[in-house]
Amino acid sequence: AQRVTQPEKLLSVFKGAPVELKCNYSYSGSPELFWYVQYSRQRLQLLLRHISRESIKGFTADLNKGETSFHLKKPFAQEEDSAMYYCALGGGSNYKLTFGKGTLLTVNP
Amino acid sequence: NAGVTQTPKFRVLKTGQSMTLLCAQDMNHEYMYWYRQDPGMGLRLIHYSVGEGTTAKGEVPDGYNVSRLKKQNFLLGLESAAPSQTSVYFCASSGRRTGELFFGEGSRLTVL
Repeated sequence: AQRVTQPEKLLSVFKGAPVELKCNYSYSGSPELFWYVQYSRQRLQLLLRHISRESIKGFTADLNKGETSFHLKKPFAQEEDSAMYYCALGGGSNYKLTFGKGTLLTVNP
Repeated sequence: NAGVTQTPKFRVLKTGQSMTLLCAQDMNHEYMYWYRQDPGMGLRLIHYSVGEGTTAKGEVPDGYNVSRLKKQNFLLGLESAAPSQTSVYFCASSGRRTGELFFGEGSRLTVL
């Protein structure tokens, strides 16, 4: 069974502060990890995936297989980063993505 | 470029009524999915399809049926709606296995 855990339902930071959204996973095979974001009144969309190893909108995430984690980080949060963030897990022969319960990030001015 | 389109966007049903949600994608994607989004529960997979004419159960399939008669369409049916099915439903499609999912805008269903 595959499982994704996002321990924080809500996360509030001030503009310019660093932000880290936590994601831990459980999967017996070779995982593929993703972060999806849902801005207010917009569709859920892909933010980044671990295989790309890229920075999107200043966000990065590193897959740590030893700790089974894929935390999302940004050094300086902006107000426009306020959104719901979902960590998702797939991989192997799996056709499905399993999503975490999401973390609502609020960046205060 | 419409991407993934869901209809209807809003619907109110009475307990026991039936309805169908339609998802259409114009990206020639093989894989299509129906998720439900509930507060504190995140996104949970209801059913999915890996190609025309095929469907499979996800995490929370009970009370729902699906059909994929055409590659571009994925229908989600509720035969006898229950208040527990009040939710926001999202359709998604993907061009490859566990690749990037493209989501629709969501359909908000209320069952009274």
